[in-house]
Amino acid sequence: EDQVTQSPEALRLQEGESSSLNCSYTVSGLRGLFWYRQDPGKGPEFLFTLYSAGEEKEKERLKATLTKKESFLHITAPKPEDSATYLCAARESSASKIIFGSGTRLSIRP
Amino acid sequence: GAGVSQTPSNKVTEKGKYVELRCDPISGHTALYWYRQSLGQGPEFLIYFQGTGAADDSGLPNDRFFAVRPEGSVSTLKIQRTERGDSAVYLCASSFETGELFFGEGSRLTVL
Repeated sequence: EDQVTQSPEALRLQEGESSSLNCSYTVSGLRGLFWYRQDPGKGPEFLFTLYSAGEEKEKERLKATLTKKESFLHITAPKPEDSATYLCAARESSASKIIFGSGTRLSIRP
Repeated sequence: GAGVSQTPSNKVTEKGKYVELRCDPISGHTALYWYRQSLGQGPEFLIYFQGTGAADDSGLPNDRFFAVRPEGSVSTLKIQRTERGDSAVYLCASSFETGELFFGEGSRLTVL
C-alpha cells in the first residue's frame, strides 16, 4: 500500500538553529514528491516538486532533497515566521492520486 | 479570482442533514481534487476529477459521499445523512494534469 510518513511529528527550534524534516515514502514509480507549508486555518501552500533521486531545490531558507526512499526539507537559520506545519506528498506513476503525510509542526522561538 | 475558491468557509449542521460544499478551481486547470483534513492530520484523499469524470474516487469513505463536476470546472461535494464523524475541513485543490496542487482555504464542516 502506498504510504507517506513524516518525522518528527513536532519540532521546536530556537531562531537560527538549523534542522531537517524527514519524509519517507513507499510509492511505486514516483511521479513527483511535493512539499507544502500550511498555516493554521489556511489551505496548504505549494513549496517544491522533486522528480528524481539526487534532485535538490531551494527557496530562501528552505532546501528540499530527494533520494529513492526519502525526502528531506532542510531549514537553515530559521526565523519565527517559518513556524508552520510542513506537509510532504507523493504521486505514483500509475495514477494521479496524491497522498499526503501527516505533517511536521515546526515552531521557531525568537 | 486567481485562486481556488471554496464556499461556504464554515458550515454547521445537525446530524442527519444534507450538505453541499462548492469548489471553484483556477481557470484552465483540468484536474480537481477533494481532500478531508482532521485536526492534527494531513489531508486525506477523497476523489480526483480529470475534466468532468471522476478518475479516482477510491477515497470516498462510503456511499453517503458523492461529488460532481458537470462542466469540467466547478465541483460540488455532497454529503447525505451527515454524522458527527464527518466533521472536518474539506479542502479542494486544482492543477494542470500532472502538476502541483493549488489549494483553496477549505470548508470547515461541523456536525452537531
